[in-house]
Amino acid sequence: DGGITQSPKYLFRKEGQNVTLSCEQNLNHDAMYWYRQDPGQGLRLIYYSQIVNDFQKGDIAEGYSVSREKKESFPLTVTSAQKNPTAFYLCASTGRLAGSQNIQYFGAGTRLSVL
Amino acid sequence: SQQGEEDPQALSIQEGENATMNCSYKTSINNLQWYRQNSGRGLVHLILIRSNEREKHSGRLRVTLDTSKKSSSLLITASRAADTASYFCATDARSNDYKLSFGAGTTVTVRA
Repeated sequence: DGGITQSPKYLFRKEGQNVTLSCEQNLNHDAMYWYRQDPGQGLRLIYYSQIVNDFQKGDIAEGYSVSREKKESFPLTVTSAQKNPTAFYLCASTGRLAGSQNIQYFGAGTRLSVL
Repeated sequence: SQQGEEDPQALSIQEGENATMNCSYKTSINNLQWYRQNSGRGLVHLILIRSNEREKHSGRLRVTLDTSKKSSSLLITASRAADTASYFCATDARSNDYKLSFGAGTTVTVRA
């Protein structure tokens, strides 16, 4: 089955703790994205990567970090500097880069809550 | 940054009726897409319309694009209970490195 797998489905963070959300794709896509979704709002871009070993900040990167060591994987770390991390996090990928049709394929999401 | 704005925020219709939702955006775009999100799930791509296209169909979906008004509409005909979901428009533009900018979505409830 081709697709994007996010894990875990639910995650709880304690005060001062860093947590890492996993995103793996077997679609052979070059570009991967992390979004944050809050209730009643659209998706806001946290980080994106268009190629291995390179990534760019999105609109709300503060308090988050990423790595892209492998084409298939784009983990997101929510650091203790992110004071309001409770949200639904979505990972996406696309096989077509800028200038073409950026149709994105999404994982099922990780819901992060603060204990 | 959020560019698209959907209208209405919520819509409740009877099964078999048509559902229409609108999306407005602020700056020139390259493409406009519509996505569906079932509760607690990821988004699924529905349809893409290019800036030089005015109308596109896919099954029970019809999308229009009016670049002079910077707006798009999504029509779902003969709705079914399974169409209950949130619908988002997303735009991309050269000025934003073709990253997708999503609106806040329209929540559609189809009553049996």
